[in-house]
Amino acid sequence: EDQVTQSPEALRLQEGESSSLNCSYTVSGLRGLFWYRQDPGKGPEFLFTLYSAGEEKEKERLKATLTKKESFLHITAPKPEDSATYLCAVQAYTGGFKTIFGAGTRLFVKA
Amino acid sequence: SQTIHQWPATLVQPVGSPLSLECTVEGTSNPNLYWYRQAAGRGLQLLFYSVGIGQISSEVPQNLSASRPQDRQFILSSKKLLLSDSGFYLCAWSGREGGQYFGPGTRLTVT
Repeated sequence: EDQVTQSPEALRLQEGESSSLNCSYTVSGLRGLFWYRQDPGKGPEFLFTLYSAGEEKEKERLKATLTKKESFLHITAPKPEDSATYLCAVQAYTGGFKTIFGAGTRLFVKA
Repeated sequence: SQTIHQWPATLVQPVGSPLSLECTVEGTSNPNLYWYRQAAGRGLQLLFYSVGIGQISSEVPQNLSASRPQDRQFILSSKKLLLSDSGFYLCAWSGREGGQYFGPGTRLTVT
């Protein structure tokens, strides 16, 4: 069964304290892995798509990487405005356009 | 540019009443469309997705149904709501990179 597991569930950082969020997955034939940011009461905001192991994408203080079993979202020198829930999702070739989401990591950045 | 609309933003309905949530997309043609539900503090659960007019795939057996009467319109319905139908309902469309773009969501409370 295709699965996505995110860790930690919650992460508290001081402003400027870099860290990483983890997304581990089991899927039969990865079509794509996606990262989203979700603020309270709003729909998720698309951040990145990763397609194959070794691929990396960057956007401002965020950098996403992908291996055959997991993805990391690295946050460099975070600011309070980076506080949000970060969601990871995967699509498998065998699942059509079905997308499986992880439960998310809630990030709190304190000034 | 593409935009996605959902309405209503919030809804309070009694148990046993019908439901109709609407989603429309602008600025793109023949998009893949999705309905998700997000329970409080949990990940996104895919309910339905559609790759074209009249083509609906259901992921979770339940008392909800979906329809796509026009290319950029997606409707979520129920004949009789249950308490367990309460949640945050999100519509999304998928772009060229496979990532999904979400609407603002509808907060449904069944009383």
